[in-house]
This record gives sequence, C-alpha cells and structure tokens, in this order.
Amino acid sequence: ETGVTQSPTHLIKTRGQQVTLRCSSQSGHNTVSWYQQALGQGPQFIFQYYREEENGRGNFPPRFSGLQFPNYSSELNVNALELDDSALYLCASSPPTGGADTQYFGPGTRLTVL
Amino acid sequence: AQTVTQSQPEMSVQEAETVTLSCTYDTSESDYYLFWYKQPPSRQMILVIRQEAYKQQNATENRFSVNFQKAAKSFSLKISDSQLGDAAMYFCAYRKAYGGATNKLIFGTGTLLAVQP
Repeated sequence: ETGVTQSPTHLIKTRGQQVTLRCSSQSGHNTVSWYQQALGQGPQFIFQYYREEENGRGNFPPRFSGLQFPNYSSELNVNALELDDSALYLCASSPPTGGADTQYFGPGTRLTVL
Repeated sequence: AQTVTQSQPEMSVQEAETVTLSCTYDTSESDYYLFWYKQPPSRQMILVIRQEAYKQQNATENRFSVNFQKAAKSFSLKISDSQLGDAAMYFCAYRKAYGGATNKLIFGTGTLLAVQP
C-alpha cells in the first residue's frame, strides 16, 4: 500500500503566473482534501473532493480550483499568483467509510511566489 | 464558526520526562472529533491520537494520552517518557461529525516541542 505522494516538492513562481500541484491519494481512498499552511501557521482548509466533485470549500477565492480524476488523484490549480500564496500546500486522502477515519497527509509542496 | 486555540507557542521537556500540551476549541456541535497531529521538520503531518466527542473515556496511544473535557472544551495531550524523536510541531485539530465537508480539519496554530537530552 503506497502512501500519499505530492509533486513537485518545491516550486518557485512569479506574481501573476499560474501553478498546478499534484497529489496521488493512498490506495483505496476516494476523498482528497487540500490545505494551505503559511509559515508558522496551522494548515487552512482549501477544499475537498469526493468522487471527482468538490463537496466543501474553505475561505479561498475562485482562483484556487481543483480537479479529482477517476483514479482519485487530484490537482490544485492557482491562477494569478500573489505573494501571499507562498506556503506549504498539503493534500490529505481518506477512505470511503467516513467517521473518524484517519486522513493521511502527503509531504507537501513548498510554493514560493516572488 | 468553529475555532481551535493553542496558547503555548513553544514548550520544552527533558528526555524521559512528561509534558502536557494544551488546546481549547469552540463549537456549537455536540458530536465531533478531535485530533493531535505531529509535524516534524520533514513536513509530513502524522496523526498522533484522536478522540470521538461522544466517548467519555480519554484516548491513549502508547506514551500519548489526552485529557478531554467536553464541557470545558479542552483537549490536552500528555506525552510520557519523552523521546528525542518527539521533537516536532504539534497541532490540535477539530473535525465535525456530520454535514458538508466532514473531512475538513480546523487546526490550531501549533506548539513547537523541544526535547532536551
């Protein structure tokens, strides 16, 4: 059983550019959540995907969007990058049984916006 | 809206000693889950322990245990026999049980734990 993986590990972009981050969920997990963790802060929920549809969103503008694919892997897209988008982006996957099931986090992508 | 507060930005403990990390939360829900996550310098968020709000018994996982006080909305983590590998940032997190994005975790700001040899 493979864990949650994310790519790339690090990324540097400039203001106004667009970025795509990728996440492969753990085997058998059909729900993926994305979080933004600014330096020195706790992660903030961006959105959640279940069976290829967004079914929950945090307080993030529409320029943050996502996709989930039939194999349950996921992408986070951010358009018109701003300096404040510099952060660690974490994805987490969880199994379909719900309840208090553990969410398994990936190692994150460190995005720097210059 | 639910909130999670960790009032201790940094804590330090001697190896083999016991340390308690504090967490309070606010919610109007009666059923929810609480978690402690550990984030070492490798950045990988690792679940340490979880508590279902409907269970009165405090959760324990080996050297880790919690003191869950539902009425006081308090959820502290006790680490016994501290080891050097316990050094990390610890986050308290809340998740509601029903409705909407039930996988949404609300995190506190974290407590950085140092373990002194």
